[in-house]
Amino acid sequence: SYVLTQPPSVSVAPGKTATITCGGDNIAVKSVHWYQQKPGQAPLLVIKYDSDRPSGIPERFSGSNSGNTASLTISWVEAGDEADYYCHVWDEGDHRYVFGTGTTVTVL
Amino acid sequence: QMQLLQSGPEVKKPGTSVKVSCKASGFTFRTSAVQWVRQTRGQSLEWIGEIVVGSGLTRYARDFQARVTITRDMSTNTAYMELSNLRSEDTAVYYCAGKPCDSLSCPFDPWGQGSLVTVSS
Repeated sequence: SYVLTQPPSVSVAPGKTATITCGGDNIAVKSVHWYQQKPGQAPLLVIKYDSDRPSGIPERFSGSNSGNTASLTISWVEAGDEADYYCHVWDEGDHRYVFGTGTTVTVL
Repeated sequence: QMQLLQSGPEVKKPGTSVKVSCKASGFTFRTSAVQWVRQTRGQSLEWIGEIVVGSGLTRYARDFQARVTITRDMSTNTAYMELSNLRSEDTAVYYCAGKPCDSLSCPFDPWGQGSLVTVSS
C-alpha cells in the first residue's frame, strides 16, 4: 500500500520559513493536497494540486512536488500557523485516499 | 458559504452500530461527492469511503468495506455514514468532507466540524 511519510515535528521562529516534507514513491506523478488542522478543529485545505492556493489562504503558503517528495512551505511564519499539517493523495493502486503521517509545526 | 453540519456525539456499546449524518448547505450538493474520514486520538486521518451524490455510487476503503454503508438523501442535502459491529478501536472523530469535482485527484473541501463516536462497554 502507498505510504506518505512526514516528519513528526518542525519548529520555527516567528518570521522565518518552515518547510514540511511528504515522502512517497514517485509522488511527483500524483496530485498532492495539504491540510492545516488546529487543535479541536476540522482540517482546512491550504494547498491543492501541489501548489495552488485556495481562495482566502495567504500567499505565505506555497507548495511543490518533485521526485519522491512533496513540500509545503510557510514563509514569514506567524504564531497562528501553529497546527498539524497533513499531505493527501489518491492511491490508484489500492483505490483509496491516503493521508500523510502528519507534522506538528511549533512556532518558537 | 459552503458548509457541512454533522450530527452530535454518540456513545455506543461494542457490537452495535452508529449512523452519523452530514448536512450540506451553500453549494450544489448533487454535483459533489461526500467523503468520510476518521481521526483517532492524536493520530492521522484515515479515509473510510465516499458517495457520489448524483449517481449514488460508493467507494469504500478495504479496511471498512465489510462494516460501512454510506448513503445520501438528495431531498434534504444530507449524507450518512453507518458503521456496524463497533469495537473500542473505532472510537474516533468522524468527519465528512465535500469533494467538489469528479476527478479522483480532487481535494477535500469543505469539511464538517466532526462527530465524536465513543465505543465503550
